[in-house]
Amino acid sequence: DGGITQSPKYLFRKEGQNVTLSCEQNLNHDAMYWYRQDPGQGLRLIYYSQIVNDFQKGDIAEGYSVSREKKESFPLTVTSAQKNPTAFYLCASSPSGSTTDTQYFGPGTRLTVL
Amino acid sequence: AQSVTQLGSHVSVSEGALVLLRCNYSSSVPPYLFWYVQYPNQGLQLLLKYTTGATLVKGINGFEAEFKKSETSFHLTKPSAHMSDAAEYFCAVRAQGAQKLVFGQGTRLTINP
Repeated sequence: DGGITQSPKYLFRKEGQNVTLSCEQNLNHDAMYWYRQDPGQGLRLIYYSQIVNDFQKGDIAEGYSVSREKKESFPLTVTSAQKNPTAFYLCASSPSGSTTDTQYFGPGTRLTVL
Repeated sequence: AQSVTQLGSHVSVSEGALVLLRCNYSSSVPPYLFWYVQYPNQGLQLLLKYTTGATLVKGINGFEAEFKKSETSFHLTKPSAHMSDAAEYFCAVRAQGAQKLVFGQGTRLTINP
């Protein structure tokens, strides 16, 4: 069964701690994306990667970091520098990053900072 | 720069009534347009997209949208609402040659029995 998995579904973190969100896809897609969703604000792009070992900042990259060591994996680290990290995080992938490509989304991880 | 405006953060219709969710975009070059649906605590699922060709696009679950260049709009419609259509709907735009998909703020659709 092809798709995108994100883990964990719910994550709680204390202030000052880094936390890593997992995103794995078995669709053989080249491009992967991380979005943040806040109520009433739609989705905002954090980072994206069009190829292994390369990634680009999105609109709100500050306080986040990513890696793309394998085609199927694109983990996101929320660092202590992120001032307001409580949000719903969505990972997506697309076949090639072409402008006509559909982006396919994972089920999301809800991060809460205590 | 691209932007997307969804008119109405909440829309409520009766079961069986017409659903109309509005989306207007701004883009300096011809855009590609998408509608996604999100059920509570889930990811987004593509309903339909316009890239080239016929301006009336049919999607899943009986939804369709029409690209109107003169009005810079891509409104989503469904002739008869069903209770299972209750969800949040996002319009998104991507300009030719652009890397980013830009999302609107979403419209929450409520269906009244």
